[in-house]
Amino acid sequence: ETGVTQSPTHLIKTRGQQVTLRCSSQSGHNTVSWYQQALGQGPQFIFQYYREEENGRGNFPPRFSGLQFPNYSSELNVNALELDDSALYLCASSSKQGSYNEQFFGPGTRLTVL
Amino acid sequence: AQKITQTQPGMFVQEKEAVTLDCTYDTSDPSYGLFWYKQPSSGEMIFLIYQGSYDQQNATEGRYSLNFQKARKSANLVISASQLGDSAMYFCAMSTTGSEKLVFGKGTKLTVNP
Repeated sequence: ETGVTQSPTHLIKTRGQQVTLRCSSQSGHNTVSWYQQALGQGPQFIFQYYREEENGRGNFPPRFSGLQFPNYSSELNVNALELDDSALYLCASSSKQGSYNEQFFGPGTRLTVL
Repeated sequence: AQKITQTQPGMFVQEKEAVTLDCTYDTSDPSYGLFWYKQPSSGEMIFLIYQGSYDQQNATEGRYSLNFQKARKSANLVISASQLGDSAMYFCAMSTTGSEKLVFGKGTKLTVNP
């Protein structure tokens, strides 16, 4: 069973640009969540996708959007980048089974906005 | 709304000793889950232990145990026999039934000294 992978590892963009971050979920997991972790903070929930539909969203503006594909991969898109978008972006997959849904995290993509 | 508070920005422990990392939470939901994650400098969030709000016994996973005091709304992590590899950021998180998102605290940086 392969783990959660994310690409790219690091990314540098300039203010106003657009970025796409990618995540490959653990095999069989139909749920993916995205989190933003600013330096020195805990992760903040951006949104979740379940069976290719958005299934909950945190306090993030619409310029943060996502997609989930049938092959367990997903994307986080951020438009009109701002300096405060600089952070570690984590995706986590789970299977909605059992008494609790353990989320398996990827290694993250570190985004720097200049 | 859920909230997690971790009041210890940093903790130091000698190798082979035990250490307790504090976590308090706030929620009005009667059903919830509490999690602890370890985040090494590489960035990946590693699941350590889970406690359900209706679990009668404190959770244990190897050297990790969760001291769950429901009336005090605390869920402290106890690491026994600390190892140098335990040096990392530790995050307490919670989720509520029906909501897949994890709410994280700000974390505690643990340093294990030889």
